[in-house]
Amino acid sequence: RKEVEQDPGPFNVPEGATVAFNCTYSNSASQSFFWYRQDCRKEPKLLMSVYSSGNEDGRFTAQLNRASQYISLLIRDSKLSDSATYLCVVRGTYSGAGSYQLTFGKGTKLSVIP
Amino acid sequence: DGGITQSPKYLFRKEGQNVTLSCEQNLNHDAMYWYRQDPGQGLRLIYYSQIVNDFQKGDIAEGYSVSREKKESFPLTVTSAQKNPTAFYLCASSTGLAGEQYFGPGTRLTVT
Repeated sequence: RKEVEQDPGPFNVPEGATVAFNCTYSNSASQSFFWYRQDCRKEPKLLMSVYSSGNEDGRFTAQLNRASQYISLLIRDSKLSDSATYLCVVRGTYSGAGSYQLTFGKGTKLSVIP
Repeated sequence: DGGITQSPKYLFRKEGQNVTLSCEQNLNHDAMYWYRQDPGQGLRLIYYSQIVNDFQKGDIAEGYSVSREKKESFPLTVTSAQKNPTAFYLCASSTGLAGEQYFGPGTRLTVT
């Protein structure tokens, strides 16, 4: 099983639509979870951290299900500017070598269409 | 403005040459990282540094070297031993190893 798995998409949705991305992770001891956004040929930018109780930031809602090792991102009222690749990122446990390494999914591509 | 800078944005080299990629941050972050991204792939960790004069290998360190002589700077050298050096290289930093990571704009290296 891959460490962090995402549906690569592309998801093509009309403006104003609601879209959800899912992500599964293999390391049950993972401690922290994030969603990053990456525009074409640009660097990833932190969109939001994902907390156990779920969290919301404007039109974006992130959920974590530790039992199923599953993370989701919901985008409501999609805008053209939301078009990007969304990366699911998981931080593992302390490895003893001083590492809190992040593991990145390959990303899910979203295109919002006028 | 605080941030992370990487230079150059695009770099072209001939096979067999070593090349050094620059990464500077003025965020006062202790930890710095180098990642590589290939088309359609997730980011992979090359090296990271928690403090000055200390660094650790990531998952794909072979063919790369780094130094951390100053808190603000973490240059990456891509050596001729790296078999597939053409990639998008991203530098990141965080307040500590458990902190959220922020990325620089990246350097696209093409080796022919």
